[in-house]
Amino acid sequence: EIVLTQSPGTQSLSPGERAILSCRASQSVTSSYLAWYQQKPGQPPRLLIYGASRRATGIPDRFSGSGSGTDFTLTISRLESEDFAVYYCQQYGSSPLTFGGGTKVEIK
Amino acid sequence: QVQLVESGGGVVQPGGSLRLSCETSGFPFSGQDMQWVRQAPGKGLEWVAFIRYDGTRKYYADSVKGRFTVSRDNSKNTLYLEMTSLRPEDTAVFFCAKDRSSGYYYGGPVDHWGQGTLVIVSS
Repeated sequence: EIVLTQSPGTQSLSPGERAILSCRASQSVTSSYLAWYQQKPGQPPRLLIYGASRRATGIPDRFSGSGSGTDFTLTISRLESEDFAVYYCQQYGSSPLTFGGGTKVEIK
Repeated sequence: QVQLVESGGGVVQPGGSLRLSCETSGFPFSGQDMQWVRQAPGKGLEWVAFIRYDGTRKYYADSVKGRFTVSRDNSKNTLYLEMTSLRPEDTAVFFCAKDRSSGYYYGGPVDHWGQGTLVIVSS
């Protein structure tokens, strides 16, 4: 099983700042099959990025993903008020599919 | 538009059984791979199961293997999760999830989610 470790656990930032979220895998993720999701309280997750760097439909370009192998990053270039949420990475290259523990981006 | 509506959650005693359903609309269900994902209260996401569009391939998390069964009825556009031998640690919101596209061997990124149905396992 591929274990995904997200860091930091919580990031306190102000609107307009840049957020950099890390997702590290215990072994290489096949074909960069790595996705990022955003989740707000009481809501299901929302797909942001798939294939490590491809934005999902309707996702603003302030969200970008990068990385390969075992190290992946989600960058939010300029935080807007609606971006404060919990972010999860997920690998779908091997079974079982696994999620990281999440990074909470909170308002400073 | 795509809609996924889960039902069947509730309170069940340890060792009991429950069947979750997910009624879908707004996309060609019979050609779409699907998944179940759960989230314990206040915790992160946990993948539960995957089923190929035609039901010929299924995968499960180790934590539910042998106890949960995913199935689908393409004539009814409905996904199911049969849960037996339930444990307190199965308490969670269960989400029905649609893969962004079919063809990923073990399941792919999820582009549509239901609102979830809460399962509580408690005596």
